[in-house]
Amino acid sequence: DQQVKQNSPSLSVQEGRISILNCDYTNSMFDYFLWYKKYPAEGPTFLISISSIKDKNEDGRFTVFLNKSAKHLSLHIVPSQPGDSAVYFCAARGLYNNNDMRFGAGTRLTVKP
Amino acid sequence: SQTIHQWPATLVQPVGSPLSLECTVEGTSNPNLYWYRQAAGRGLQLLFYSVGIGQISSEVPQNLSASRPQDRQFILSSKKLLLSDSGFYLCAWRTSGGSYEQYFGPGTRLTVT
Repeated sequence: DQQVKQNSPSLSVQEGRISILNCDYTNSMFDYFLWYKKYPAEGPTFLISISSIKDKNEDGRFTVFLNKSAKHLSLHIVPSQPGDSAVYFCAARGLYNNNDMRFGAGTRLTVKP
Repeated sequence: SQTIHQWPATLVQPVGSPLSLECTVEGTSNPNLYWYRQAAGRGLQLLFYSVGIGQISSEVPQNLSASRPQDRQFILSSKKLLLSDSGFYLCAWRTSGGSYEQYFGPGTRLTVT
């Protein structure tokens, strides 16, 4: 069951512009959300997270926004850099099981120089 | 600092053959350990997790099994591989009782022929 959905399989932006990656979830019992970045043939690396009690978390060029009523979160990268080109996964943690992490299918971001 | 190792990096196995993938973590004690699979074009699917030696929780009924013979060692096995077992297998760890971020190994690309 796809409880976490990333409906855009790919996104292409120009260097210096904003990249916006979107994620939707269906389970209202998710209480913690994370974004991971993955390069080819490597494991994902943790990027940024947000608790369900917040609506925004910022770390340098990366900002995650959470809209609980819409069950939607987004990752903003400003300014985008060619090194940001990777696959980005959205993940959500269930309230009652710390070990149950659900991942979206990923969005491939390409930042063009 | 903590390090996670997975081997082998790539593996080609015939249908019906056994499988053993190994994961070890360094620099931490009593971590929570996870096995994920990423099929082509799909997100990460949690297969197994373990919160301690000898303890295994299975998330998806399948042809695979997991074991944790030592605190920082996690093994994924199969007695007879199926074509559908092909994919990218990732091991991850998290600090027990700590933050929710999981840290991933480099992964194993398994092709069943």
